[in-house]
Amino acid sequence: DARVTQTPRHKVTEMGQEVTMRCQPILGHNTVFWYRQTMMQGLELLAYFRNRAPLDDSGMPKDRFSAEMPDATLATLKIQPSEPRDSAVYFCASGTGTGSNEQFFGPGTRLTVL
Amino acid sequence: GNSVTQMEGPVTLSEEAFLTINCTYTATGYPSLFWYVQYPGEGLQLLLKATKADDKGSNKGFEATYRKETTSFHLEKGSVQVSDSAVYFCALSDRAYGQNFVFGPGTRLSVLP
Repeated sequence: DARVTQTPRHKVTEMGQEVTMRCQPILGHNTVFWYRQTMMQGLELLAYFRNRAPLDDSGMPKDRFSAEMPDATLATLKIQPSEPRDSAVYFCASGTGTGSNEQFFGPGTRLTVL
Repeated sequence: GNSVTQMEGPVTLSEEAFLTINCTYTATGYPSLFWYVQYPGEGLQLLLKATKADDKGSNKGFEATYRKETTSFHLEKGSVQVSDSAVYFCALSDRAYGQNFVFGPGTRLSVLP
């Protein structure tokens, strides 16, 4: 049963610390998305990769956030330095980028910045 | 730009009641339409989809029909169960918009026994 995996599932850290979240997309998928979900803002698109190249990261605060795909099996989202307002659930999703472009979501990383 | 509008929640129903969650969209191209469901503590899961006008997506008793003339994709279920309690997101993917997904704000459904 192919699925998107994310680690860690939960992360509590202090303000100013670096946070790295990891995502393993479904094998064979060439599009990867990072989303942030909060009660106030709902689901926000942070970054979008196709074939490991960033196509859209306009939703991401550039001064502290960075997203990369070191290889086809790993996507990372890094926050440095973290702030309390970054507390949210971060979701990774992957897709084939063809046809209806359906996305498959991971279980999310719940981040709490104290 | 593209956008998705959903009815505001929360929606509270009794078990076996009929469910409708309205969704309308604005798109520059000819989008595919989706309903995703998010159960507590989990990621979003695809519930159903439709890729062209008049298509009906269906799954687990839920249905939605792609209505191009009214730019709508309303979600319906004839008899809800307590286990259907979740947040439901309407979304579109538009090839003319780089195939990025646009999600609605979500509608929380609570089904009471």
